Amino acid sequence: ETGVTQSPTHLIKTRGQQVTLRCSSQSGHNTVSWYQQALGQGPQFIFQYYREEENGRGNFPPRFSGLQFPNYSSELNVNALELDDSALYLCASSYPTPGQGLTYGYTFGSGTRLTVV
Amino acid sequence: SQKIEQNSEALNIQEGKTATLTCNYTNYSPAYLQWYRQDPGRGPVFLLLIRENEKEKRKERLKVTFDTTLKQSLFHITASQPADSATYLCALASAGNNRKLIWGLGTSLAVNP
Repeated sequence: ETGVTQSPTHLIKTRGQQVTLRCSSQSGHNTVSWYQQALGQGPQFIFQYYREEENGRGNFPPRFSGLQFPNYSSELNVNALELDDSALYLCASSYPTPGQGLTYGYTFGSGTRLTVV
Repeated sequence: SQKIEQNSEALNIQEGKTATLTCNYTNYSPAYLQWYRQDPGRGPVFLLLIRENEKEKRKERLKVTFDTTLKQSLFHITASQPADSATYLCALASAGNNRKLIWGLGTSLAVNP
């Protein structure tokens, strides 16, 4: 059983550019969430995808968008990058048990460290 | 607004002792409370999940309690080891399909040999 894989691990972009981050979810997990974690802070929820549909969104502007593919892998796209977008971007997958809700925690990837200069 | 507070100061304990970390929340009624461990530059690693109708959960040297009246969870690591040194994060989730997690800032634990 593989865990969650994120790519790339590190990225440096210039303000105004666009970036795409990728995530392969754990085998069998159909729900993917994306989080932004600034240094010294807890993760902040960006959005969640369940079976290729967005299933909830945090307080992030529309320039943060995502996709989930039929194999449950996912992408996070950020347009018009700003300096404050510099953070660790985390992808997490899970599989709620039907009728029982969440019985186990999320499996996180190691994250993508994005630096905007 | 929803708020989660964890011990803001780093916790330093001696190897073999029990570490106790606190998570308090306000303006929220979570269905689930989770604890994660995070090492520098890495993603959080899931440790334990407890539901609103459960009082206590154990896993090996770990124990978590959940008091919905006090709006507090305690996380205990017994017989602590230097390898337990990390940041521990508390996260809350509501019921329903949107299972976004709301996180505390984490507590840094250092176990000294």
